Amino acid sequence: QVTLRESGPALVKPTQTLTLTCTFSGFSLSTSGMCVSWIRQPPGKALEWLALIDWDDDKYYSTSLKTRLTISKDTSKNQVVLTMTNMDPVDTATYYCARTSCPFGAFDIWGQGTMVTVSS
Amino acid sequence: QSALTQPRSVSGSPGQSVTISCTGTSSDVGGYNYVSWYQQHPGKAPKLMIYDVSKRPSGVPDRFSGSKSGNTASLTISGLQAEDEADYYCCSYAGSWVFGGGTKLTVL
Repeated sequence: QVTLRESGPALVKPTQTLTLTCTFSGFSLSTSGMCVSWIRQPPGKALEWLALIDWDDDKYYSTSLKTRLTISKDTSKNQVVLTMTNMDPVDTATYYCARTSCPFGAFDIWGQGTMVTVSS
Repeated sequence: QSALTQPRSVSGSPGQSVTISCTGTSSDVGGYNYVSWYQQHPGKAPKLMIYDVSKRPSGVPDRFSGSKSGNTASLTISGLQAEDEADYYCCSYAGSWVFGGGTKLTVL
């Protein structure tokens, strides 16, 4: 059974850096074709893809956010980490990680999401 | 990239069929056969319903079907059931991934 679980702070202050961890089981990120993405959803709004890391450690970022995002993986721990710098209240959202079938595939299994509020 | 265009809301009665459209451009929907659809109930994570335009993951009822014509993809739900009431999002690969604005399906 494939599962993913996001963890991180529920509240961050403006200008701070957000670090989120996705811990997964049931698949290996060292297997060819496996990827993990981060996707977010502001309250009452649409989904937005943020970043993806593949089995070969290649990384891809949203064009509009790439200067603020860093994605990394620890294959031995089955974890993917996303950092987002210079947080702003507009970044308030539920952040999801999702297994992705690379190279162009869909987000087939999602974590439950973690709500992050940016406020002073 | 601009978000894909979906109707804000659609509705139908139990047993009826509804179709949700997802309009993009030749750079996303029209350029790739990598359109997917997600169902999201309130307070829950999205669930993959259709991938690669028209393929259904294991466990998704065959009442759900997908198609594409030019720059517009469509999700059709036949034999509507109360549990189908949810938000639906389309997504297309476009060099990266772009989502639609979401459609709220109401089962009357």
